[in-house]
Amino acid sequence: AQTVTQSQPEMSVQEAETVTLSCTYDTSENNYYLFWYKQPPSRQMILVIRQEAYKQQNATENRFSVNFQKAAKSFSLKISDSQLGDTAMYFCAFMKHRVGGGSTLGRLYFGRGTQLTVWP
Amino acid sequence: EAQVTQNPRYLITVTGKKLTVTCSQNMNHEYMSWYRQDPGLGLRQIYYSMNVEVTDKGDVPEGYKVSRKEKRNFPLILESPSPNQTSLYFCASRQRPGSWEQYFGPGTRLTVT
Repeated sequence: AQTVTQSQPEMSVQEAETVTLSCTYDTSENNYYLFWYKQPPSRQMILVIRQEAYKQQNATENRFSVNFQKAAKSFSLKISDSQLGDTAMYFCAFMKHRVGGGSTLGRLYFGRGTQLTVWP
Repeated sequence: EAQVTQNPRYLITVTGKKLTVTCSQNMNHEYMSWYRQDPGLGLRQIYYSMNVEVTDKGDVPEGYKVSRKEKRNFPLILESPSPNQTSLYFCASRQRPGSWEQYFGPGTRLTVT
């Protein structure tokens, strides 16, 4: 079974500062995807960034970057130059990626979320 | 516009009154699934479907039914809702098992009194 752990239920940061959200996961799979999703008050699920496990290079999307440590099974999200619009719940998620991978292929396993508040 | 739609967006109902939450996607996706989101628990998969007439249980299927008679639709049925099914529900779809991109619907807030 796959598990995803987010150990920080809440975090806060001042506008323009940098914040890092933590995520660890447990799996016996070698090929998988990792994601960070953002859920603002509108409740919409918005993909922030994804990482393929076979890629050593950390993914980056504008102000968002990850620190992917495969051996440690760690996948943290760094938000630089935080903005008020970054205030949201953030979910870390895992998905298997294996050709012919069986019934659980494609299922997203989510962490419990981290509520991030950006203060002016 | 590629999208996943859910209806209704909000629903308040009473214990035992059967209800259906509809989900439809316009992208010809094979894979569809339902998740429920509860505070402090994240999102958990209820049911999924690999294609028409192919469905299977996720992690929390008790109290729910699904059907997949058409590729575009994947309704979630609560035959006898109970208060512990009060939750935020998301439908999601993907092109095929090997693809990573998942499209989420806008969510349905269900309250069972």
